[in-house]
Amino acid sequence: QVQLVQSGAEVKKPGASVKVSCKASGFTFTSYGFSWVRQAPGQGLEWMGWISANNGNTHYAQILQGRVTMTTDTSTSTAYMELRSLRSDDTAVYFCARKPTSRPFDYWGQGTLVTVSS
Amino acid sequence: DIQMTQSPSSLSASVGDRVTITCRASQGIGDYVAWYQQKAGKVPKLLISAASTLQSGVPSRFSGSGSGTDFTLTISSLQPEDVASYYCQKCDNAPLTFGGGTRVEIK
Repeated sequence: QVQLVQSGAEVKKPGASVKVSCKASGFTFTSYGFSWVRQAPGQGLEWMGWISANNGNTHYAQILQGRVTMTTDTSTSTAYMELRSLRSDDTAVYFCARKPTSRPFDYWGQGTLVTVSS
Repeated sequence: DIQMTQSPSSLSASVGDRVTITCRASQGIGDYVAWYQQKAGKVPKLLISAASTLQSGVPSRFSGSGSGTDFTLTISSLQPEDVASYYCQKCDNAPLTFGGGTRVEIK
């Protein structure tokens, strides 16, 4: 069955970086794109960006340009999201989601809580 | 970038009521809209794709309509288990913007 399993919760200090992983199983990894979505406490869903697992092409939300990098490792069917120069307002649950071409997100990871606090 | 404006931000209705949530795109996006349901503390769940295609296993009281810039999610008869937040999303190409969300509660 399709599964996206994310890495565990992180606590970081302001200015640090965090890298969250999303390990896929149950489907052909390189046939899909992956997006990252975050949700601050009590807030809505915020799309962060997308990466093609086929060719590594990326598209990042303008608000995060320069601070976020998304990568994939096809040998382990894992997608990664790194966010740098963390601020307190980056505290959120971070989700990965599978993105079929021209279709919406059909499977989601369980979410990873990233807390940024001094 | 295309913006997705969702309304209302919250609503309270009685069991059995018909509930309508709207989503407006700042530019035409055909039928490339999805609707998600997110219950408290849970992962979002895809309800509707391509503006009106109900996903397998989703109750038939949920329906979607619209094309171009104006889209609607309707719950024909609100049930207690429908308490959740609902989000629209443009899903053609990046940026894959979400609407601001609608919190649905039981009166």
